[in-house]
Amino acid sequence: GAGVSQSPRYKVAKRGQDVALRCDPISGHVSLFWYQQALGQGPEFLTYFQNEAQLDKSGLPSDRFFAERPEGSVSTLKIQRTQQEDSAVYLCASSRTGAVGNEQFFGPGTRLTVL
Amino acid sequence: AQSVTQLDSHVSVSEGTPVLLRCNYSSSYSPSLFWYVQHPNKGLQLLLKYTSAATLVKGINGFEAEFKKSETSFHLTKPSAHMSDAAEYFCVFPTGGFKTIFGAGTRLFVKA
Repeated sequence: GAGVSQSPRYKVAKRGQDVALRCDPISGHVSLFWYQQALGQGPEFLTYFQNEAQLDKSGLPSDRFFAERPEGSVSTLKIQRTQQEDSAVYLCASSRTGAVGNEQFFGPGTRLTVL
Repeated sequence: AQSVTQLDSHVSVSEGTPVLLRCNYSSSYSPSLFWYVQHPNKGLQLLLKYTSAATLVKGINGFEAEFKKSETSFHLTKPSAHMSDAAEYFCVFPTGGFKTIFGAGTRLFVKA
C-alpha cells in the first residue's frame, strides 16, 4: 500500500462505550506499534507486534485496552468502557523488519474524544 | 533509566535565520536516535537518524544533527529556516527492547 492507514480518523464516544480502532500497516511490514498522543504531548508507547505476536504490551494503561493482529497484518486497538482520560490521538506505525531502531512509518492517527 | 529530554517546548525564529532544537538523552549504552517532524494534520515523518555510523547526520529538508556522547546530546540544526519548517519536532529513542520513547516535542514557529 501507499502508506499506513488508520480508521476511523475521528471517533466520538460516550463514556462507557467500547471502541475499536483499526490500523492497516504497509504491506509486508513485520513490526507494528501503537501509541497514544495526548494533546500537547509526545506519543506514548502502548504496544508492539512482530507479525502476529504481541511482544510488548507494557504501555497499555489498563486492562480496558486490548490490541490484536491475528494474521500479522491489520491490527485493532480496542478500548472497553471508555473514560474521559482516554481522549487522545491514537497512532499506529509499522516498520519493515523486526530489528530494533528501524524507521517507523506512521499513520495519520485516530482522534478519540470521549464525552 | 533510559530517557530523552527536549529542552525547549517552543522555539521561535525568523525566516532565514538558523534553527537549533535541543535534545538530551540518558542511556547506559550508545543508542540509536531519531528526529521526527509532525506537521499539522499530517503523520509523523522521519527527518534523520543516528545509528553509530557517523556522528554528524544529514536529513531531509536541510536539517542535520550531531551526536555528542560526551554531552549526551543530539541537537537538531538547520542553517536557514523556511516558513514550511513550522511544525512539531520530536527527538526519539528506540530503546534496546521494543519500546520507543518520544520526547515531549518542540514546536517551531517561523516568523516572516
